[in-house]
Amino acid sequence: DAKTTQPNSMESNEEEPVHLPCNHSTISGTDYIHWYRQLPSQGPEYVIHGLTSNVNNRMASLAIAEDRKSSTLILHRATLRDAAVYYCILRDVRDDKIIFGKGTRLHILP
Amino acid sequence: KAGVTQTPRYLIKTRGQQVTLSCSPISGHRSVSWYQQTPGQGLQFLFEYFSETQRNKGNFPGRFSGRQFSNSRSEMNVSTLELGDSALYLCASSPLPGMGTDTQYFGPGTRLTVL
Repeated sequence: DAKTTQPNSMESNEEEPVHLPCNHSTISGTDYIHWYRQLPSQGPEYVIHGLTSNVNNRMASLAIAEDRKSSTLILHRATLRDAAVYYCILRDVRDDKIIFGKGTRLHILP
Repeated sequence: KAGVTQTPRYLIKTRGQQVTLSCSPISGHRSVSWYQQTPGQGLQFLFEYFSETQRNKGNFPGRFSGRQFSNSRSEMNVSTLELGDSALYLCASSPLPGMGTDTQYFGPGTRLTVL
């Protein structure tokens, strides 16, 4: 399974944008890039996913490098409720299995 | 639409015992996956079921097993419990299997403590 590399932790101020990086240099053509987050004492929740083009939804934006070897999750205006562990995951289009890495623990400073 | 539900939420067992955890997927979802989360190993995939058949399996010993019923509800069983089995066990459901673009919806988990 293709692997991802994320920083262990990041900090951001409330109401400022947050850019969470992810490296996936061994990504294959059938791998989708997914982001999930896990709030304290909860199960993971889906944030966003994409293949090649940048994606936007009500929660976040996903910027994918042209060579697809890296991507960035963008939270446009962080709130205290965005403090969580964010997981960048590669999922083969034929597979339901999710291989989680260590993720990035995001701290939001008031 | 109700989310994924898991029962029980908390469980305490002793070494050598066995335990059964239950997961009810979102209505209409037919694929159920199980994960184990521990502080040391993080989130690890256990297995996935669809149409009462196991489609995928992670690297866990045979003491970990599961099944799925015709109504898509799933159970996982751990026999001969060890201290290292203490973890949060998460269940996730999605509409269909083999669709890596589908969102997986996670339940709140069952916290198992083995004494």
